[in-house]
Amino acid sequence: AQRVTQPEKLLSVFKGAPVELKCNYSYSGSPELFWYVQYSRQRLQLLLRHISRESIKGFTADLNKGETSFHLKKPFAQEEDSAMYYCALSWGGGSNYKLTFGKGTLLTVNP
Amino acid sequence: NAGVTQTPKFQVLKTGQSMTLQCAQDMNHNSMYWYRQDPGMGLRLIYYSASEGTTDKGEVPNGYNVSRLNKREFSLRLESAAPSQTSVYFCASKRRDASLGNEQFFGPGTRLTVL
Repeated sequence: AQRVTQPEKLLSVFKGAPVELKCNYSYSGSPELFWYVQYSRQRLQLLLRHISRESIKGFTADLNKGETSFHLKKPFAQEEDSAMYYCALSWGGGSNYKLTFGKGTLLTVNP
Repeated sequence: NAGVTQTPKFQVLKTGQSMTLQCAQDMNHNSMYWYRQDPGMGLRLIYYSASEGTTDKGEVPNGYNVSRLNKREFSLRLESAAPSQTSVYFCASKRRDASLGNEQFFGPGTRLTVL
């Protein structure tokens, strides 16, 4: 069965410090992974998807199939990065694709 | 484009009351989803509709029913609300073409309290 694990419920850093939010997955097929961000009481927004290999708002994430990880990184955290971050795995086939989410990491960036 | 919209934004129910949460998308997406978000639990899939005319259970379907009214609209019904259904409910949609990516697009959520 597919599973997404985010080991840290809470992560607190100071402004300007590097930040890494961990995500590990379990899936027997070829994984498609995403990071979503949710600012206070707002909708989930797509932050990154691994197939794009892009950098959004200074964040990057690399899929490591050997370690089954998709950690989110930013070299210099900003106060506006404070939010809930969810890692998600897309699975299924045909028209039956679904997302399985991790339980989320609440990032707080202190001034 | 409004994207994914949900009504109402907030609702308070008494135990045993019923209600329907509405969701609509204007992106011509085929698939639609209902999730609930609870503290420490992340998002859990309640029901989904891979295409117009089909619906399937997700991880936590008990106590809910859904209707895919047409391609745009997907409603979630609570027939007899219970306090355990106090949650934030999110609707999402996904494009048909998986080659463009399987990310889902989310609505703003409905905050439901059952007393």
